Amino acid sequence: QQPVQSPQAVILREGEDAVINCSSSKALYSVHWYRQKHGEAPVFLMILLKGGEQKGHDKISASFNEKKQQSSLYLTASQLSYSGTYFCGTSDGGNSGGSNYKLTFGKGTLLTVNP
Amino acid sequence: DAGITQSPRHKVTETGTPVTLRCHQTENHRYMYWYRQDPGHGLRLIHYSYGVKDTDKGEVSDGYSVSRSKTEDFLLTLESATSSQTSVYFCAISELGNDYGYTFGSGTRLTVV
Repeated sequence: QQPVQSPQAVILREGEDAVINCSSSKALYSVHWYRQKHGEAPVFLMILLKGGEQKGHDKISASFNEKKQQSSLYLTASQLSYSGTYFCGTSDGGNSGGSNYKLTFGKGTLLTVNP
Repeated sequence: DAGITQSPRHKVTETGTPVTLRCHQTENHRYMYWYRQDPGHGLRLIHYSYGVKDTDKGEVSDGYSVSRSKTEDFLLTLESATSSQTSVYFCAISELGNDYGYTFGSGTRLTVV
């Protein structure tokens, strides 16, 4: 089943913060986050492996709660360039435990950052 | 130079005709995937490949077939196109065991009339 993302859409002003959530009903090995701008391909942001690891770069970070099978993406002090649709992709790792094995994507969260 | 390219970028075809989309990579990645993207559905996996001549079905594989005769090429064929297959198709590549995620191609916008 597809992971469930919330909210479906969010509108911010520059400098505001946002949190996007991703929840799965099955055990996960990894969670990926991607951003897609209109008319373009999705672009990889970061990957989180089971173990509750938190990652981040610049003002975008993410966490993974393995027990709850949930991940959250945190965008702080948002910039105009953050606008786009954010997707989480989840993997159960397959037989070989690969973090990139056969991702199932959520339906996306549309983030709009206004001046 | 892009590590993954899709062709064609745009195509209009008639209902009932076969259509083949091509994905070509220069990264020598083992895994290749075909996804379709539709409003309200996000990205859904059609088929994937884990090596030359090794392929498997995804969640929306009906009406599609794939082939991979070389590491660098992954073909998606719509055997008899229907209007429900109007979509944007993305190819992606990856390797197991790395933390670089998927790299997506630029997509093919297919319209079936």
